[in-house]
Amino acid sequence: DAGITQSPRYKITETGRQVTLMCHQTWSHSYMFWYRQDLGHGLRLIYYSAAADITDKGEVPDGYVVSRSKTENFPLTLESATRSQTSVYFCASSESHSTQFFGPGTRLTVL
Amino acid sequence: AQTVTQSQPEMSVQEAETVTLSCTYDTSESDYYLFWYKQPPSRQMILVIRQEAYKQQNATENRFSVNFQKAAKSFSLKISDSQLGDAAMYFCAYRSLREYGNKLVFGAGTILRVKS
Repeated sequence: DAGITQSPRYKITETGRQVTLMCHQTWSHSYMFWYRQDLGHGLRLIYYSAAADITDKGEVPDGYVVSRSKTENFPLTLESATRSQTSVYFCASSESHSTQFFGPGTRLTVL
Repeated sequence: AQTVTQSQPEMSVQEAETVTLSCTYDTSESDYYLFWYKQPPSRQMILVIRQEAYKQQNATENRFSVNFQKAAKSFSLKISDSQLGDAAMYFCAYRSLREYGNKLVFGAGTILRVKS
């Protein structure tokens, strides 16, 4: 199906483990984004990418790593998960100056 | 840096009535976009309405309309003839047209409950 997908939809992990959240879009959008959603904060930008091999930090990048070797994929890695990274993670994509479209989200729990 | 404030953590409305959700923002820029997104219990983020700051006319999408007051930096969402399906979290968001990256800055959200 066309659109933007995220996997897994739910993930439970333990403190200190590495976790990778996947994001795939079929529109060939230039821009891709990772946000985290926490109560009282809305959505906050973690990292974004303007094109393949171009990534930049957002508001809350600490503890996260991203890569973008292909236009359609933008994985987010938590190198050593902490409880404070328990959150709902959203991937989004857009063309320049156009509306962002969001994936369905991944609920991550770090025990 | 820009900030977006939604001062109402929670609102309630009777079915078929009208409700207004508030949003204020802080920016020194003159060109930007403003958005309202809806997040139902399914968690999916759905674009409700978009406003370009250079347009004086308020955006409208069916039962949804905005009151955009640029000088006051206010961007409220009015939902007319509320329906049970309107129950959701609503986020106001800002996007700069000057800053690199096409990034969105979100408010904390308002939970809207619709009573039958």
